[in-house]
Amino acid sequence: DADVTQTPRNRITKTGKRIMLECSQTKGHDRMYWYRQDPGLGLRLIYYSFDVKDINKGEISDGYSVSRQAQAKFSLSLESAIPNQTALYFCATSDADIIGGYTFGSGTRLTVV
Amino acid sequence: RKEVEQDPGPFNVPEGATVAFNCTYSNSASQSFFWYRQDCRKEPKLLMSVYSSGNEDGRFTAQLNRASQYISLLIRDSKLSDSATYLCVNNQGGKLIFGQGTELSVKP
Repeated sequence: DADVTQTPRNRITKTGKRIMLECSQTKGHDRMYWYRQDPGLGLRLIYYSFDVKDINKGEISDGYSVSRQAQAKFSLSLESAIPNQTALYFCATSDADIIGGYTFGSGTRLTVV
Repeated sequence: RKEVEQDPGPFNVPEGATVAFNCTYSNSASQSFFWYRQDCRKEPKLLMSVYSSGNEDGRFTAQLNRASQYISLLIRDSKLSDSATYLCVNNQGGKLIFGQGTELSVKP
């Protein structure tokens, strides 16, 4: 099994719908992150959590919310999806020192039509 | 100004060539630095961490210049399998900040 698992892998949804992207990890890390990637813009941080009771906004949190259900689980929600939220979404984990960088999930390709 | 800037390329080089990528960062408080590799639409994977003294891993050499706030990656003897996008990354307070990536294409 992968260290970081994202579901679904691909999703097409309609404008205005609520959608949740899920992430689970088996690394035992406290820190988890959600990024989105758009062509030419690199990865941009949406939300991050340094432990179960900690939630922080990243660079582009508007239109998104998160829930840290357990150390191993961190979900991202789009309350009312819009077309410019079409992107590739990555979840990642790290230890506190980030000595080994992040471990990423395989990504969720989301299309909002 | 972006916090982490890279030349997006693409860099098109023949097999066996040496290629260098540079990256500049704006936040002098950045704590640590990494190079990640990303294959087309797949997740980024850690290539190497970057240390102040410079570090080498096989054909790859990374350098950090804190005074000038830039990071470099040198790839020697390029292989076809090196074709990918290379991401320059800074750690700022436990958050990784990514450059937009530099695309490398190695041709036979």
